[in-house]
Amino acid sequence: QVQLQESGPGLVKPSQTLSLTCTVSGDSLIRGAYYWSWIRLHPGKGLEWIGYIYYSGTTHYNPSLKSRVAISVDTSRNQFSLTLSSVTAADTAVYYCARDSGYGTSDYWGQGMLVTISS
Amino acid sequence: QSALTQPASVSGSPGQSITISCTGTSSDVGTYESVSWYQVHPGKAPKLMIYEGTKRPPGISNRFSGSKSGNTASLTISGLQSDDEADYYCCSYATGSTLIYGGGTKLTVL
Repeated sequence: QVQLQESGPGLVKPSQTLSLTCTVSGDSLIRGAYYWSWIRLHPGKGLEWIGYIYYSGTTHYNPSLKSRVAISVDTSRNQFSLTLSSVTAADTAVYYCARDSGYGTSDYWGQGMLVTISS
Repeated sequence: QSALTQPASVSGSPGQSITISCTGTSSDVGTYESVSWYQVHPGKAPKLMIYEGTKRPPGISNRFSGSKSGNTASLTISGLQSDDEADYYCCSYATGSTLIYGGGTKLTVL
């Protein structure tokens, strides 16, 4: 069974950098069959795709976040990570990692992690 | 890149059918056969209900169906049940190898 688990700080100060890691079990990133995504759910609002990465390191990002986002992969640990710089309160959200076909079919998701931006 | 347009809310009685629309543009929904639908219960991870416009993942009831016409995709739920009450989001692949979500629709089962 494929499982994904987000980890990282739940509280980040404004203007600092948010960093999260997703650990994958039950599948291997180097198998190369999927992209690995980050998506967030704003409180009281909707889902927003942040970006995704292929095991080779190829990335694609949401144009509205591209200047602040970086997604990286560590195939030796079967993990991928998100960094979001210069955060503001508007970045407060539940952050999910997911396995994706590359075309928006995300079949396995992590449980989600609430990250609050506050001083 | 603007969000796909969904109605904010829909409602129906148990046993009835409802349809949720998802309107995009020729740069996403209208060009690619890659619309997915997700069900989100409060505090839970999104669940894939429909992918590639019309396909159901294993274990998803055939009460859920998807379709598309032009720049608008639709999710139909027949035989409404109380546990269908949730938020529903569409997602489309878009030009430039990006993904775009709809604003979400709250389904209320009366």
